[in-house]
Amino acid sequence: DVKVTQSSRYLVKRTGEKVFLECVQDMDHENMFWYRQDPGLGLRLIYFSYDVKMKEKGDIPEGYSVSREKKERFSLILESASTNQTSMYLCASKGQAGNTIYFGEGSWLTVV
Amino acid sequence: TQLLEQSPQFLSIQEGENLTVYCNSSSVFSSLQWYRQEPGEGPVLLVTVVTGGEVKKLKRLTFQFGDARKDSSLHITAAQPGDTGLYLCAGEGLGGSYIPTFGRGTSLIVHP
Repeated sequence: DVKVTQSSRYLVKRTGEKVFLECVQDMDHENMFWYRQDPGLGLRLIYFSYDVKMKEKGDIPEGYSVSREKKERFSLILESASTNQTSMYLCASKGQAGNTIYFGEGSWLTVV
Repeated sequence: TQLLEQSPQFLSIQEGENLTVYCNSSSVFSSLQWYRQEPGEGPVLLVTVVTGGEVKKLKRLTFQFGDARKDSSLHITAAQPGDTGLYLCAGEGLGGSYIPTFGRGTSLIVHP
């Protein structure tokens, strides 16, 4: 069974804190994605990676960075969390040949 | 940028009713996926359609891909409370782009 695992389901952080969201996939997929999901706005792509150490900005990269040191792991970093980054964050992966994108269960981040 | 418009945005119906959700674009897609997302969880793939005019059935759910591969519909027969959730369509563009385009979703509530 395919698996995308996000390390934290629920986090509460203070404004200004550095936040790490971790994602691991066990399908040997080349492509990994980070989205945020907000009511009425749908899924918005923050960053994606098509290979180890490769990263590309998505639609809303400001305030975020990513790291992909190993093929199975894609981390999202909030250097200095702000209240407008309170959201549901979804990690996803996709193989090169296939057209199915697999999602993790999501991480609910609240910044206070 | 390829855009996918989903309609309606919200649906609130009684158990036993039928419904149809639409996903439209001016762009051609090589494939299109439908996902369902339950509250607090990540989206889960329901179906992928690839061929223009294709119809796929999943129990009470019927998915259709338009002849021109620009639109798709999801029809649910005799909806049940377990069908409640957010339905998302996602399209993969021509030219081998590995970044899917998502619609904003249709939020469905089925009342017992």
